[in-house]
Amino acid sequence: AQSVAQPEDQVNVAEGNPLTVKCTYSVSGNPYLFWYVQYPNRGLQFLLKYITGDNLVKGSYGFEAEFNKSQTSFHLKKPSALVSDSALYFCAVRDPIKAAGNKLTFGGGTRVLVKP
Amino acid sequence: DSGVTQTPKHLITATGQRVTLRCSPRSGDLSVYWYQQSLDQGLQFLIQYYNGEERAKGNILERFSAQQFPDLHSELNLSSLELGDSALYFCASSVAEGGRWETQYFGPGTRLLVL
Repeated sequence: AQSVAQPEDQVNVAEGNPLTVKCTYSVSGNPYLFWYVQYPNRGLQFLLKYITGDNLVKGSYGFEAEFNKSQTSFHLKKPSALVSDSALYFCAVRDPIKAAGNKLTFGGGTRVLVKP
Repeated sequence: DSGVTQTPKHLITATGQRVTLRCSPRSGDLSVYWYQQSLDQGLQFLIQYYNGEERAKGNILERFSAQQFPDLHSELNLSSLELGDSALYFCASSVAEGGRWETQYFGPGTRLLVL
């Protein structure tokens, strides 16, 4: 069965500094990976996904993620963090077996706090 | 705004009761998914419906059931509620059955509190 790990419960960063949120995965077959963000009292918003192709994926709000197959990682990055980026970030992997439908398995989430 | 709507936003009920959560997918989306977010279990997949048929099942309790109607909206029924069922329930939708390029778009969630 597939799994996702987000090793940091919280990441603190100063505004203007680079932001990295870590994610590692375990899956049989080709990984389909996603990042979502959850703001307080809001639903999950899709940021970006990796299906195939270029290892650097660009997404919404200036975020990007780097897929590394050898390290089984999919870290989320932003070159210059904003206070408004403070939120809960989730990494997810989709089961590559078609018979399993389209379910997403989520990591535990990483809370990002960007300080002015 | 993802285009996925969920009602109600909040629900407070007592143990042993039954509630129904409603979800309307984005226009044109055929698949609906239900997820539960709780402090101890995190975000967990419950069930997927595609064009009215059950497509995949996750860690959904027998006390819970769902269906997708001809107009593609979906309802999640939770019965014999227990304190541990208190959680945020998300609905998501995607355009088709689950092709590898598909993205799931989430609604704002229904916060259920069982007292």
